Amino acid sequence: EAGVTQSPTHLIKTRGQQATLRCSPISGHTSVYWYQQALGLGLQFLLWYDEGEERNRGNFPPRFSGRQFPNYSSELNVNALELEDSALYLCASSLERVTRGYTFGSGTRLTVV
Amino acid sequence: RKEVEQDPGPFNVPEGATVAFNCTYSNSASQSFFWYRQDCRKEPKLLMSVYSSGNEDGRFTAQLNRASQYISLLIRDSKLSDSATYLCVVMASGGSYIPTFGRGTSLIVHP
Repeated sequence: EAGVTQSPTHLIKTRGQQATLRCSPISGHTSVYWYQQALGLGLQFLLWYDEGEERNRGNFPPRFSGRQFPNYSSELNVNALELEDSALYLCASSLERVTRGYTFGSGTRLTVV
Repeated sequence: RKEVEQDPGPFNVPEGATVAFNCTYSNSASQSFFWYRQDCRKEPKLLMSVYSSGNEDGRFTAQLNRASQYISLLIRDSKLSDSATYLCVVMASGGSYIPTFGRGTSLIVHP
């Protein structure tokens, strides 16, 4: 069974640009979660999508947005990039609501210069 | 008080040692608990769920103390390969189903 896949692995952007990160969940999983992990910090919850709808979002500004497609894959968009957006962005998927933990992708490392 | 707190460590132990980590949580409505392991610059991976009665998986034992609102992870007979950061994860009931991660405890096992 293929795991959660994320692309690209690495992304370098200039301050002010936009970044698009992609995630494909495990087959059959309908929920996708996005987390940000800045260097030395814990995982910060960004967004939760389930069945194509945004179900919850963390304490991040509106320039962090995303969507979930009919095939349950998801996209995270970060507009007007700032230096402090440099982080590892992790996507996880689960069946419906999480009750037994979930599986992460290997992440996209975003560097803003 | 942070929702989920962990001692960042590092815990520096020799091979074969027994080491224990604690994690405290502030939300008394928390219902689900997990330990994840994260290797340097890698994604977190589920190590084990934590059940009310406590549970064991090989050298790893997880305990839950609801009265004091903490969970623990005990690692026996530490291996070099156990070196990693261990993340405590807590999820409350009530419909949000958003797990909250602690910042992690770093473990270094040396020869």
